[in-house]
Amino acid sequence: QKEVEQNSGPLSVPEGAIASLNCTYSDRGSQSFFWYRQYSGKSPELIMFIYSNGDKEDGRFTAQLNKASQYVSLLIRDSQPSDSATYLCAVNGGPLPTGTYKYIFGTGTRLKVLA
Amino acid sequence: EPEVTQTPSHQVTQMGQEVILRCVPISNHLYFYWYRQILGQKVEFLVSFYNNEISEKSEIFDDQFSVERPDGSNFTLKIRSTKLEDSAMYFCASSGYRGQGYGYTFGSGTRLTVV
Repeated sequence: QKEVEQNSGPLSVPEGAIASLNCTYSDRGSQSFFWYRQYSGKSPELIMFIYSNGDKEDGRFTAQLNKASQYVSLLIRDSQPSDSATYLCAVNGGPLPTGTYKYIFGTGTRLKVLA
Repeated sequence: EPEVTQTPSHQVTQMGQEVILRCVPISNHLYFYWYRQILGQKVEFLVSFYNNEISEKSEIFDDQFSVERPDGSNFTLKIRSTKLEDSAMYFCASSGYRGQGYGYTFGSGTRLTVV
């Protein structure tokens, strides 16, 4: 059973600080990794994806991937109260013959940014 | 920004009744998915669909579930005889990419309440 694990939180950070969200996955064959943000009662919204080991930056967000340790993280710099949400880590185990993809989601980490 | 549209936003149904959840994927996308999220739990894969047929389905997607693309634009999920445990948010997603996967675009979801 392929698993994606996240600390459910809540993770509380003061406004302007760096929030660090972590995720581990069980399947070494996983090829791509996604961070989604989900506000309460809303659908997941894609923030970033990463395929290669190392860091990938997009604005205030940095995704970090370490395939050897089966670990992916999301850093949010200059955190704002509007960043308060649940952050879902999703892992893609590889393509199906048709080219469709099935993502395995973690339970999410609830982030609270305190004004 | 193109959107995936889901209707209705909320559906209340009696146990044993049939429900149809509707989705209009992004127009040039080719790969379609249904996921569900029981309140407070993970986003779970139900089914993927490409070229007018199911690519993969999870163990949740039993004989009570079916999907259809009746007219080339809508994508529907039917639950034939609803159970209390089918109460959840149901998300439709679509993707235009056959490659490694650049993340889905999720619809806003349908909250299904079975009473």
